[in-house]
Amino acid sequence: GENVEQHPSTLSVQEGDSAVIKCTYSDSASNYFPWYKQELGKGPQLIIDIRSNVGEKKDQRIAVTLNKTAKHFSLHITETQPEDSAVYFCAASVGSQGNLIFGKGTKLSVKP
Amino acid sequence: NAGVTQTPKFRILKIGQSMTLQCTQDMNHNYMYWYRQDPGMGLKLIYYSVGAGITDKGEVPNGYNVSRSTTEDFPLRLELAAPSQTSVYFCASKGTAYPGGNQPQHFGDGTRLSIL
Repeated sequence: GENVEQHPSTLSVQEGDSAVIKCTYSDSASNYFPWYKQELGKGPQLIIDIRSNVGEKKDQRIAVTLNKTAKHFSLHITETQPEDSAVYFCAASVGSQGNLIFGKGTKLSVKP
Repeated sequence: NAGVTQTPKFRILKIGQSMTLQCTQDMNHNYMYWYRQDPGMGLKLIYYSVGAGITDKGEVPNGYNVSRSTTEDFPLRLELAAPSQTSVYFCASKGTAYPGGNQPQHFGDGTRLSIL
């Protein structure tokens, strides 16, 4: 079945620097890749997603890139701010119902 | 803008007790999901439903049951609580632009369950 690997598990950056989180997936049929941000005590919140017919998508300081040939996708956060500190999860869709398989998460800390 | 609402937020159970975790959504979404989240392990799918009256097992269904009598509600039942079920449980829902379509899942804020 589908497997999603996410790296790194923890990431510490200085405010204003960029942060990059990478994920790989195993099922070449996966065609939808969302990214979620989870703050302490809250549920995951979608921050950006990408479908397999697109190579890159941007939303202000956040961007996601997808390489279908290599089966990996990445989250890029520019000009990081302390409020970006959270756990970030990548996911890939599987099967006809589009269920999601999640990576294990990356704890991002942005130091002021 | 209620979205997905989960109750209770916290609960402590004794081994062997039973309880129902409640989930309701007001977005008229067909798809609903239950996940468990253990430290460092991401989210694992327990059960899901593609519409009222239809449920199916996810990756880790053992020890749990679900029902879906209405579009809005998707309760998760623990019959004989075990320490291994100590976790944070999240409910999510998803609309469909087309069958099997890839739309974002919307999550509730979770139920933190401890079994002692």
